[in-house]
Amino acid sequence: DVKVTQSSRYLVKRTGEKVFLECVQDMDHENMFWYRQDPGLGLRLIYFSYDVKMKEKGDIPEGYSVSREKKERFSLILESASTNQTSMYLCASRHSSITEAFFGQGTRLTVV
Amino acid sequence: AQSVTQLDSQVPVFEEAPVELRCNYSSSVSVYLFWYVQYPNQGLQLLLKYLSGSTLVESINGFEAEFNKSQTSFHLRKPSVHISDTAEYFCAVSDQTRGGYSTLTFGKGTMLLVSP
Repeated sequence: DVKVTQSSRYLVKRTGEKVFLECVQDMDHENMFWYRQDPGLGLRLIYFSYDVKMKEKGDIPEGYSVSREKKERFSLILESASTNQTSMYLCASRHSSITEAFFGQGTRLTVV
Repeated sequence: AQSVTQLDSQVPVFEEAPVELRCNYSSSVSVYLFWYVQYPNQGLQLLLKYLSGSTLVESINGFEAEFNKSQTSFHLRKPSVHISDTAEYFCAVSDQTRGGYSTLTFGKGTMLLVSP
C-alpha cells in the first residue's frame, strides 16, 4: 500500500516561531501537495511540487514556503507562525494527473 | 482556472434512504474527477474516480457517480445508506491549467449525516 506519512498529528507552536511540517511518501510519486483544511472552506492548496527542487504556488501561499530536496520528502515551512495559520494541514502525493492522490493523516497545528 | 462547487454543505438522511451529493466543476480542458471520503480524525481516502470511458463509475461499498460533460457535473449517489456512511465527502478535479502542470482542486465538502 502507498503510504504518506506526516511527521506529527498534533502540534502547538507560539506566534512568531518557525514551524516545519514534514511529509514523506514511499511510492516514488512525482507530484506532492500541501493543503490546509478549515471548516466550511474545504481543502485549499498552499503549494505543490511536480519534481525534485521544483515548486509552484497554490491558491494561498502567503506566509508559507516549501522545500523538496528529495523526491520522497516535501516540507512545508511557516516562516513566522501566526494565529490565523491554526488549521489542519494535509499532505498528498500522486504519480501523475490521471492517478488518484494519496493523503497523509494530517497535522493539526495550533498557534497560540 | 478550474473550480469545484459542492452545492450542499450538509445532507441529513435516514438509514436505508437513498442519497445524492452534488458536484459541479468548471474547467477549460479535459478533466479527471474524483470523490474522496473523510471519516472523523482521518485523512482523505479515494472513493471513486472518472478518468475516461464509461461515464458511470462505482465504488466497492455501493456508491456510484456519473460524469455528465454537458452539465459539468459528477454527482455521487447511493441507493441505500448505512450509519457507517456518516462522513465528509469531497469532490475533486484534476486538469492541466496551472502553468502546464496539473493540480488537484477540491470542493468545500458535504457532510453526510445518517441517522437511525
